[in-house]
Amino acid sequence: GENVEQHPSTLSVQEGDSAVIKCTYSDSASNYFPWYKQELGKGPQLIIDIRSNVGEKKDQRIAVTLNKTAKHFSLHITETQPEDSAVYFCAASSPGGSYIPTFGRGTSLIVHP
Amino acid sequence: GAVVSQHPSRVICKSGTSVKIECRSLDFQATTMFWYRQFPKQSLMLMATSNEGSKATYEQGVEKDKFLINHASLTLSTLTVTSAHPEDSSFYICSAMTGPDTEAFFGQGTRLTVV
Repeated sequence: GENVEQHPSTLSVQEGDSAVIKCTYSDSASNYFPWYKQELGKGPQLIIDIRSNVGEKKDQRIAVTLNKTAKHFSLHITETQPEDSAVYFCAASSPGGSYIPTFGRGTSLIVHP
Repeated sequence: GAVVSQHPSRVICKSGTSVKIECRSLDFQATTMFWYRQFPKQSLMLMATSNEGSKATYEQGVEKDKFLINHASLTLSTLTVTSAHPEDSSFYICSAMTGPDTEAFFGQGTRLTVV
């Protein structure tokens, strides 16, 4: 089955800096890669996603890049703000896995004002 | 995005009793719903996948008789924790998809505390 590795587990940045979270996946058939933001005591919220036919996608301060050859994808947050502080999860899904997302272990992002 | 509503957000129950958690897709029909359990500072652990009108598929190690899942309609799935014990205390989260190869939307989670 699919295995998703996520790094770092904790990321501390100053407000205004950029933050990068990286994930690798094992199943070359995976074709959908969502990113979720989870605030304390709440469910995960989809913030951006990318499909395997695209190399990069951007939405305001958030961008995701995908390298299919290397089987890794990254989340980039620019101009970080304190409200970006949360746990971020990457995930990967494939037809062979019935499209059920496999999650990484999560990254706790702390943005210091 | 689509809205998934989960109820209750918090519940405290006595050991030995049963608790039902509801998951509703408010503005779309969910052919598939998932139930997760999350321990503090850990990732989401998939418990089961349910498709409307059919029996849920449980992940290895999840007791189907203890965690009863019903997906009676395209907008509602329920998780019943039967004969709850303190070790069942956890954060339970549901998610729903409109179909295969679509994004999954999550409910707000339910904090279950068994005393």
